[in-house]
Amino acid sequence: DTAVSQTPKYLVTQMGNDKSIKCEQNLGHDTMYWYKQDSKKFLKIMFSYNNKELIINETVPNRFSPKSPDKAHLNLHINSLELGDSAVYFCASSKTNYGYTFGSGTRLTVV
Amino acid sequence: GDSVTQMEGPVTLSEEAFLTINCTYTATGYPSLFWYVQYPGEGLQLLLKATKADDKGSNKGFEATYRKETTSFHLEKGSVQVSDSAVYFCALSDRTGGSYIPTFGRGTSLIVHP
Repeated sequence: DTAVSQTPKYLVTQMGNDKSIKCEQNLGHDTMYWYKQDSKKFLKIMFSYNNKELIINETVPNRFSPKSPDKAHLNLHINSLELGDSAVYFCASSKTNYGYTFGSGTRLTVV
Repeated sequence: GDSVTQMEGPVTLSEEAFLTINCTYTATGYPSLFWYVQYPGEGLQLLLKATKADDKGSNKGFEATYRKETTSFHLEKGSVQVSDSAVYFCALSDRTGGSYIPTFGRGTSLIVHP
C-alpha cells in the first residue's frame, strides 16, 4: 500500500496548456504539502494545507492553484504552463512534527 | 526566518570510507531536526530525526546528534557502501503560528565508488 501516491509520474505537455497533478495519502496525516525540485535538487515549498485549510502559500505564480477536497487529497492545478515550470513536483504529508512522508514525484516537462 | 545550511557536494568517497556531511541551522523556536535521503528517481525518505538537544538519531548505520550549542546536526557513517550513493537533505521543522513549517537544506550529493 503506497502511503503517499501521486499521479501521473511523468507529464510532458506543450506551453500554454493546463494540467493537474493529483496526490493522495492514506496515513491519516493532517497536513499535506507541495514541493518543487529543480534540476539542482533544490527543494522549494509551494503550498501547505492543514485539515483542508491553506497554511503556507509561498511566492509562486498564481497560475498554480492547490485544491484540497478532503484531508487525504491535495491536488495541484497549473494554468498556462511555461518552460520554466519544468521540474519534479513532490507531494508530502505529515502528522504534527513526526516527519514528512513524500510521494515518488511527478516529472513535468514543458515543451 | 529559519534556514538550513549544508556542505556543498558532491562528496566522493571510496567504499568503506568514513562519511561526514555537515549541517547547521538557524531557527526562531526549538525545532526538530531531520535527515532525508533521495535515491535516483525517487522521492525523499526519512533517514533519521532528533527532537531535542543531545538526542542522537540513527538508522542504517547513519547517525546525527542534535547540538544546540553549535546549532548543528552533522550526518556521519563509519563505513559507506556503493548503495549509499544518493542525495542527502538536512531539514528542520519549527512551530510557527500553530503549524509546523518545514525547511530543507539544498542537499548534498554523495557518490561512493567501489
